[in-house]
Amino acid sequence: DQQVKQNSPSLSVQEGRISILNCDYTNSMFDYFLWYKKYPAEGPTFLISISSIKDKNEDGRFTVFLNKSAKHLSLHIVPSQPGDSAVYFCAAKLPASYGKLTFGQGTILTVHP
Amino acid sequence: NAGVTQTPKFQVLKTGQSMTLQCAQDMNHNSMYWYRQDPGMGLRLIYYSASEGTTDKGEVPNGYNVSRLNKREFSLRLESAAPSQTSVYFCAGASNSPLHFGNGTRLTVT
Repeated sequence: DQQVKQNSPSLSVQEGRISILNCDYTNSMFDYFLWYKKYPAEGPTFLISISSIKDKNEDGRFTVFLNKSAKHLSLHIVPSQPGDSAVYFCAAKLPASYGKLTFGQGTILTVHP
Repeated sequence: NAGVTQTPKFQVLKTGQSMTLQCAQDMNHNSMYWYRQDPGMGLRLIYYSASEGTTDKGEVPNGYNVSRLNKREFSLRLESAAPSQTSVYFCAGASNSPLHFGNGTRLTVT
């Protein structure tokens, strides 16, 4: 039973355009959501997060939106750059379980020059 | 500034062999975690250690054991490797901060 799902295995975007990566979850008890980025042969690196009490968090080119009623979050990258090409994982945690994350399957983002 | 270091980077085992994956961190993290990544499955938690001297099972602990040797080191042991344990293993640390991952160990069991 996958509690966090990324239904798009891959996404291809032109440099300079917006990339939108989506994530759905089923457990309404999740209180914190994170996005990680992973390059080949490296470990995932933290990108941006959002608490369940907020609906938007922005950090430079990266913005995460949370729609609790739809149990949906999305990551927007504007403008997209070729260096953004990587696998993106969304993750969620339950209260008082900081490092115990439930991850989605990942979305491969390719940004074409 | 090593962060979280995992050894080895690659390993091939035959079914039934045993091995220990090593993880060490120099970031003073209180808690440490072992995850495995499989195609189409994302990362799944195997075991974690909330603090030195404690360990607990995660989502997929069967076939594994762990040891939190000290605050810096958290090892994962496969006593009798099986092909289903072919995966990429990631160690991570955290202290009131997002998980900080090592670069992984790619394990193949034939």
